Amino acid sequence: GAGVSQSPRYKVAKRGQDVALRCDPISGHVSLFWYQQALGQGPEFLTYFQNEAQLDKSGLPSDRFFAERPEGSVSTLKIQRTQQEDSAVYLCASSLAGFTGNTIYFGEGSWLTVV
Amino acid sequence: RKEVEQDPGPFNVPEGATVAFNCTYSNSASQSFFWYRQDCRKEPKLLMSVYSSGNEDGRFTAQLNRASQYISLLIRDSKLSDSATYLCVVNSAGGTSYGKLTFGQGTILTVHP
Repeated sequence: GAGVSQSPRYKVAKRGQDVALRCDPISGHVSLFWYQQALGQGPEFLTYFQNEAQLDKSGLPSDRFFAERPEGSVSTLKIQRTQQEDSAVYLCASSLAGFTGNTIYFGEGSWLTVV
Repeated sequence: RKEVEQDPGPFNVPEGATVAFNCTYSNSASQSFFWYRQDCRKEPKLLMSVYSSGNEDGRFTAQLNRASQYISLLIRDSKLSDSATYLCVVNSAGGTSYGKLTFGQGTILTVHP
């Protein structure tokens, strides 16, 4: 499809395991965002890329979280030494240029459960 | 205090009812405002933008009061298909060249027959 694609859709990780979550934004979209959504909460901002540049990583909760977008297209969110509090849905979103709200598109998310 | 606060509900209403959701935000520099809808186990999707003059889209009316930092959403003639979580969203770009969306907790709406 032409939407934002995320994989895996579901991931169960043992505590202490490293995980990598992938996002394929809509082709040609300059801006890419990662959000974390805990159960019963709204999404919370993690990080923002403009092309390959990570312009804002203020929302990353700890240094165990790392995101990259090396070629300005596909992005990967990596979580090292996962903890139970990392269990959440990780949403990727993209927009054509900058942000206007009307043009931001979310993927269906990667559901992470840490056991 | 959270930057965007909503009553989490849940709101349980019969079909045909009118229901109103409220939201407050704390960052007076916020520039744009939205309501998103999120169905169970799905991604958030834009429902409508919110303007100071108020705006309407069919059965949905959104209002913004900048002085009070208050946003509302009114749904008239509720349908079963309106059952979802409604997220109040604020763009708190703060002078950056991009928008950082800040979401409220979400208000759960269930419309029953």
